[in-house]
Amino acid sequence: GAVVSQHPSWVICKSGTSVKIECRSLDFQATTMFWYRQFPKQSLMLMATSNEGSKATYEQGVEKDKFLINHASLTLSTLTVTSAHPEDSSFYICSAMSLAGASGANVLTFGAGSRLTVL
Amino acid sequence: GEDVEQSLFLSVREGDSSVINCTYTDSSSTYLYWYKQEPGAGLQLLTYIFSNMDMKQDQRLTVLLNKKDKHLSLRIADTQTGDSAIYFCAAVSGGYNKLIFGAGTRLAVHP
Repeated sequence: GAVVSQHPSWVICKSGTSVKIECRSLDFQATTMFWYRQFPKQSLMLMATSNEGSKATYEQGVEKDKFLINHASLTLSTLTVTSAHPEDSSFYICSAMSLAGASGANVLTFGAGSRLTVL
Repeated sequence: GEDVEQSLFLSVREGDSSVINCTYTDSSSTYLYWYKQEPGAGLQLLTYIFSNMDMKQDQRLTVLLNKKDKHLSLRIADTQTGDSAIYFCAAVSGGYNKLIFGAGTRLAVHP
C-alpha cells in the first residue's frame, strides 16, 4: 500500500532557530499533501494544503511566514518552522492523498509524525 | 464548514463489541473515514465508506452510515487489548479532499 515517510521523527531545538520537516510519498506521486498539527490529547488541526509547483494554501489563523511549506516535487513536501519558540512545540503530521481500492476512493495516508520540542 | 463530533472516551471489556459514534454536518461529504492512532504514532487508516453506502464490513470492523442523520459508527467485534487506541472519524470538507477530523475517541480495553 501507499507509504508516507516523515523525517525527522523527533527534533529538539533552541528557541529562535528554524527546523525543517520532510514528508515523502515513497511509492506514489502526490500532487497534494497536507500538514496537520496535533497538541497532546487533542485532534488534528489542518494547517495547510501543500500543492506541487504552487503556493501552499493555509488555514485561517496559521501564519504562513512562520510555517513555510515547499512542495517542489511530486514526492516531497517540506514544512519549515521558522524562528521556533516553545509554543511551537507540537506533533506535526503530514499526509498525502492516494487512491485506494477498486472503488478509487481518495484516502489520506499519514506519515508517522514529527515531534518538535523547542527549548 | 464541516464539523465532526465524536464521544471522547469508551471503555469495554476484552471480547465484547465496541461501538464508536460520530456525527458530521456537511451532507455533501462523499467519503467518511475511520483512523486509528496509537500513542506517539501517526494515523493508520482503518476503513472508509462511500456516502451512497449504508454499511461496510471488513473482518472485525463494521461501519454503519445514516446519511439522513449524518451519523457514522464503527463497530469492533471481539475487542482485544491491542485495539486500545484513539479512533478518529473524518469527513471530506468542501469537496476538496481535505479531511476534517473529530476530536478522537479514546478506546480502553480491560480484561
